[in-house]
Amino acid sequence: ILNVEQSPQSLHVQEGDSTNFTCSFPSSNFYALHWYRWETAKSPEALFVMTLNGDEKKKGRISATLNTKEGYSYLYIKGSQPEDSATYLCASTHEAAGNKLTFGGGTRVLVKP
Amino acid sequence: DGGITQSPKYLFRKEGQNVTLSCEQNLNHDAMYWYRQDPGQGLRLIYYSQIVNDFQKGDIAEGYSVSREKKESFPLTVTSAQKNPTAFYLCASRPTGTTIYEQYFGPGTRLTVT
Repeated sequence: ILNVEQSPQSLHVQEGDSTNFTCSFPSSNFYALHWYRWETAKSPEALFVMTLNGDEKKKGRISATLNTKEGYSYLYIKGSQPEDSATYLCASTHEAAGNKLTFGGGTRVLVKP
Repeated sequence: DGGITQSPKYLFRKEGQNVTLSCEQNLNHDAMYWYRQDPGQGLRLIYYSQIVNDFQKGDIAEGYSVSREKKESFPLTVTSAQKNPTAFYLCASRPTGTTIYEQYFGPGTRLTVT
């Protein structure tokens, strides 16, 4: 079983502040890294899928980077807003694992007004 | 509207009873997945199916069973052999014909067994 880790487990951010958190994954046989946002009482929604070392993706105030050589990805939230409060999940896929995603434990973000 | 539905949202059962969780999608996706989430943990894969009439065990398949008789449906049965069945269960599906795929999730079913 592959090991994907996210840190911190939770964090509180003041509205307007920027924040970031990490996802680490096995670098061997890496294929793709996914980020999902999971708001309370809703279904997880895909934010980004990245495959290449050095990839950077952006959606509004949220962006992500990928380092496949060392096995980590950062997710950044710029100018946090209360609607950014959610659990952010990362998941990796590896060639040997076929179509399976291995999820980290998530980072729970609470943006305080 | 296209999407994934899971029913019911909350389910209560007595210990020793089998229970089946429903997952239906009208997205025309070939692949479907079942995950389990426990407090403080990430999503763990129970079973997945890449095509009708075929499915594979995930990381924690013991005590669960599935069927895939129709493309749209992938029900999960939690059997009495599952030692800790109380959890939140998520169903997902993914598009076909893509090499970089994202999964689409249903709203989940919270199962409580007492």
